Amino acid sequence: EVQLVESGGGLVQPGGSLRLSCAASGFSFSIYWMYWVRQAPGKGLVWVARINGDAITTNHADSVKGRFTISRDNAKNTLNLQMNSLRAEDTAVYYCVRGGPSWSMDVWGKGTTVTVSS
Amino acid sequence: QSALTQPASVSGSPGQSITISCTGTTSDVGGYNYVSWYQHHPGKAPKLMIFEVSNRPSGVSNRFSGSKSGNTASLTISGLQSEDEADYYCSSCTSSTTLDVIFGGGTKLTVL
Repeated sequence: EVQLVESGGGLVQPGGSLRLSCAASGFSFSIYWMYWVRQAPGKGLVWVARINGDAITTNHADSVKGRFTISRDNAKNTLNLQMNSLRAEDTAVYYCVRGGPSWSMDVWGKGTTVTVSS
Repeated sequence: QSALTQPASVSGSPGQSITISCTGTTSDVGGYNYVSWYQHHPGKAPKLMIFEVSNRPSGVSNRFSGSKSGNTASLTISGLQSEDEADYYCSSCTSSTTLDVIFGGGTKLTVL
């Protein structure tokens, strides 16, 4: 079964850090683009970061550039998101997502919740 | 970069058909045939329902169909069932320099 399972979310103070991880299984992880997508409370989906299969290319949304870093370990089938200098507006459910055909996203995890609050 | 525009909510009775619109610009929906649709039951993983405007992934019911005209894409669900009640999001490839994928704001579908 193709599966993505996120972990690492929690409550953190403004300015703090968190590292999200995503365990992938059931597919050839190393050949796929992978994304982090977030959904703030009451808001829609927003792309945060993406990384290609061999980790050579990464892109981050302007809202997180310089604070978040996406990475992957193909030997461990794991996707990561290092989040530093967290702000209240980073509060959201963060989804690990597999890139599909033609800019679609064809496999999603259930998400992990990040709350930034003092 | 503004989100694609979707109605906040739509509703229909079992067996009926509904259509959800997704309006963008020539830089996204209108410029590419790379519109996708996702179904999201709260607390669960979102699910890809349509890609490339009108293609269904394996396993998705043929009650779900997609189309596009100009800068507006549409998702039609026919033969509404109670389990179709969910949030639906569209997305598109975009030529914006800040994002390469843009989502709609989401539409809550209620099956009456």
